[in-house]
Amino acid sequence: GNSVTQMEGPVTLSEEAFLTINCTYTATGYPSLFWYVQYPGEGLQLLLKATKADDKGSNKGFEATYRKETTSFHLEKGSVQVSDSAVYFCALSLSGNEKLTFGTGTRLTIIP
Amino acid sequence: GAVVSQHPSWVICKSGTSVKIECRSLDFQATTMFWYRQFPKQSLMLMATSNEGSKATYEQGVEKDKFLINHASLTLSTLTVTSAHPEDSSFYICSARYILAGDAYEQYFGPGTRLTVT
Repeated sequence: GNSVTQMEGPVTLSEEAFLTINCTYTATGYPSLFWYVQYPGEGLQLLLKATKADDKGSNKGFEATYRKETTSFHLEKGSVQVSDSAVYFCALSLSGNEKLTFGTGTRLTIIP
Repeated sequence: GAVVSQHPSWVICKSGTSVKIECRSLDFQATTMFWYRQFPKQSLMLMATSNEGSKATYEQGVEKDKFLINHASLTLSTLTVTSAHPEDSSFYICSARYILAGDAYEQYFGPGTRLTVT
C-alpha cells in the first residue's frame, strides 16, 4: 500500500538555523508529493508540492525536491524564523486520485 | 484564500450519545469534502469522501452506520458520530475541494474538532 514516513519530532531550533525535515514514501505508481503546514489553531495549509520526479517545490523560503531514486521529499529551509513554528505534514496522492496519504507530522519550534 | 471552518472546535459527550460536527466552506462552494481522523502522534487517516447530493464514500474499515455523513448543500457537510464510545475520542478534520484554474484543484482544511467521549 501507500505510506509516508517522516522524522519524528518535536524539533527545536534556534532562529536562523538550517532546517531539514525528512520524508520518505512508498507508493504504487507515480505519486504527487506535498508538504502541509498547520499553525496553532488553524487548519492544514498547502506549503508546497511536486508532481513528478526531480521537480522542486518551493514557497516561503521552504524547498523540497522529489527524489524518485531515494523515494524522498525532504523539506528544507536555510534560515528559520520564529513564525515557522508549526506542525509539518508530508503527504502523497496518486495520479488521478485526490485522496491524500499523510505522514505523522513533525512539530517544529523555533526559539529566538 | 479559501477558508474552511469546523464547529464545534471541541466537544465532550457521554458514552452512548451522538454528536454532530459541521464543516463549512465559507467563501467557496465545494461539491466534495473529505473527513479525516487523527489519533495522537499518528497521521491523518481518511475516513470518507462526502459528495454534495449523494451518498458518502467510506474508506475500508470505517463503519458507515456509526459515522453518518451528510452533504446537503454546497457549503456544508456534517459528520455525526452515533452512539459514541470512548474509543471514538479523536481529532476529526475536514477538508473541502477548491477548484483552481483548468482541471486543477486543491484541498482546504478546517481547523479540526476534538471529540472526547466519557
